[in-house]
Amino acid sequence: DIQMTQSPSSLSASVGDRVTITCRASRGISNYLAWFQQKPGKAPKSLIYAASSLQSGVPSKFSGSGSGTDFTLTISSLQPEDFATYYCQQYNSYPRTFGQGTKVEIK
Amino acid sequence: EVQLVESGGGLVQPGGSLRLSCAASGFTFSSYDMHWVRQATGKGLEWVSGISTAGDSYYPDSVKGRFTISRENAKNSLYLQMNSLRAGDTAVYYCVRSSRLDVWGQGTTVTVSS
Repeated sequence: DIQMTQSPSSLSASVGDRVTITCRASRGISNYLAWFQQKPGKAPKSLIYAASSLQSGVPSKFSGSGSGTDFTLTISSLQPEDFATYYCQQYNSYPRTFGQGTKVEIK
Repeated sequence: EVQLVESGGGLVQPGGSLRLSCAASGFTFSSYDMHWVRQATGKGLEWVSGISTAGDSYYPDSVKGRFTISRENAKNSLYLQMNSLRAGDTAVYYCVRSSRLDVWGQGTTVTVSS
């Protein structure tokens, strides 16, 4: 199975900050990497697929990059509605696997 | 509007069975791989099963042999038959569209407890 490791597990940031979350795969997954945002009590929401493609309707302050084993999600200017937990997931092979999540909290 | 609506969750005793359903609307259901993803309270996301457009099914070791995913394209419906349930299967179960997991249902809660 491919292990997905996110870092950090949590972070505190202020409104307006630029935030970067990292996701590392235990072996190469090309660009078959997706990012999700989840708020408490809600279903996850797709943000990015194919490592860097923005899902329809997702604001451009979210961006993704990477290929192979190392990936990043960047939020260019953190807003109050962005405080949430973020997950990466690989869909290169079965079983699909998720990172453990990164909780973005208000400083 | 693209929509996925899960149903069938509830309280079941250890060793029991439950069948989840997912009703899809607003898109051509037969053209998409479909998946189930679960989340225990306070925990991360765990992929539970997937089914291709051709009907090929996939599972992680944690549920293999106990869970069965199926689809009925004529009814725009996805199912998850869960047998030999354990306390560790307690979670919110989400129905999700495509390999990219681009559309999620609201989830249905499964509680395995005596």
